[in-house]
Amino acid sequence: DIVMTQSPDSLAVSLGERATINCKSSQSLLYTSNNKNNLAWYQQQPGQPPKPLIYWASTRASGVPDRFSGSGSGTDFTLTISTLQAEDVAVYYCQQYYATPWTFGQGTKVEIK
Amino acid sequence: EVQLVQSGGGLVEPGGSLRLSCAASGFTFSDAWMTWVRQAPGKGLEWVGHIKSQRHGGTTDYAAPVKDRFTVSRDDSKNMFYLQMNSLKAEDRAVYYCATEFHGALNFWGQGTLVTVSS
Repeated sequence: DIVMTQSPDSLAVSLGERATINCKSSQSLLYTSNNKNNLAWYQQQPGQPPKPLIYWASTRASGVPDRFSGSGSGTDFTLTISTLQAEDVAVYYCQQYYATPWTFGQGTKVEIK
Repeated sequence: EVQLVQSGGGLVEPGGSLRLSCAASGFTFSDAWMTWVRQAPGKGLEWVGHIKSQRHGGTTDYAAPVKDRFTVSRDDSKNMFYLQMNSLKAEDRAVYYCATEFHGALNFWGQGTLVTVSS
């Protein structure tokens, strides 16, 4: 199975500041046939199902604010929230869909400093 | 508007069975791959299994912890998606989510339903 490891486990950021979450996979998620990385990011607020943010490592899902961006390739990926808003307090997960079983990172909790 | 409305869930004794349902609307269900994901209390997300569309063979795949105990199925005539859970264990206690799957990414999610396994 592909192991997904996020860092840090939690972070506290001031409103308006940048938040950066890292995700590392145990093997490359890059499909050379289409040059796409099979990596998604989700946001989960308390008591709610996860909400998709990013697909293919860097494509924002419909309706997601442009302060959220994804980057990276191969085994190393980053989710950046450029200017943290109060409503961004949540747990964030990365997920690989390169090979089943699909696997998730352990989650990163983002709070306001 | 895409909607996934879940039902089923509840309290079951160890070794018992339970079936979760997911009613889909707002998209062409027969074309969709469908997935179950679970989340133990206070823990992260765990993929349970999925079923491909009939056009892609309708095959299923499962995570190791549930393989041979859980069965994913679909009824395209009713736009319904199911998770049959047998031989339930305490460690199966979780909120279970159904979701649509697009090339493996999970783009729409149900509201979740809690399964508790306890005597």
